[in-house]
Amino acid sequence: AQSVTQLDSQVPVFEEAPVELRCNYSSSVSVYLFWYVQYPNQGLQLLLKYLSGSTLVESINGFEAEFNKSQTSFHLRKPSVHISDTAEYFCAVRRAAGNKLTFGGGTRVLVKP
Amino acid sequence: GAVVSQHPSRVICKSGTSVKIECRSLDFQATTMFWYRQFPKKSLMLMATSNEGSKATYEQGVEKDKFLINHASLTLSTLTVTSAHPEDSSFYICSARVGDKGYYGYTFGSGTRLTVV
Repeated sequence: AQSVTQLDSQVPVFEEAPVELRCNYSSSVSVYLFWYVQYPNQGLQLLLKYLSGSTLVESINGFEAEFNKSQTSFHLRKPSVHISDTAEYFCAVRRAAGNKLTFGGGTRVLVKP
Repeated sequence: GAVVSQHPSRVICKSGTSVKIECRSLDFQATTMFWYRQFPKKSLMLMATSNEGSKATYEQGVEKDKFLINHASLTLSTLTVTSAHPEDSSFYICSARVGDKGYYGYTFGSGTRLTVV
């Protein structure tokens, strides 16, 4: 079975500062990796995903994540955050041959003015 | 595309009553849907996987008689919390698998906040 660890439960950051959210996973088989964002009282929205190919993936709103197989990590970064980036962020994995997503515990990002 | 509509967004019910939550795929056929439960400031816990036309597969520890899941059509899955109690109060989120064969993704409903009083 796979597992996902998000090392930081909460990350306060000032507006326009960079942010990094850490995600490590454990799996004995090939996995696909995802980052989701959840705004208060809403469902999850896909930020970006790694399926294959380039290990650096980007989202349309400035986030990027890099898949590092040797370190089993998929950290999420943004060089300059906005107030609107305040949300909960979830890292998730799915076995390449599987069906179910396994989520990390989530990281709450609080952007301060 | 690939939108899932979840309804209601909020519901308050009395202890002992049952509540039904609906999850509809609006512009695609959802062969497989998932139901999650999320506790405050916690991650999502998968409750069950439902496939259209067959019985749901429940995760370990989830009471199938309490959380009834029906996936009778390719566009609708329902979760019924039977004889609800305050400890069932939570945020429930549905999700549908989108696409086929390997590189499929997931789309999520907007969630239902259930409060049992």
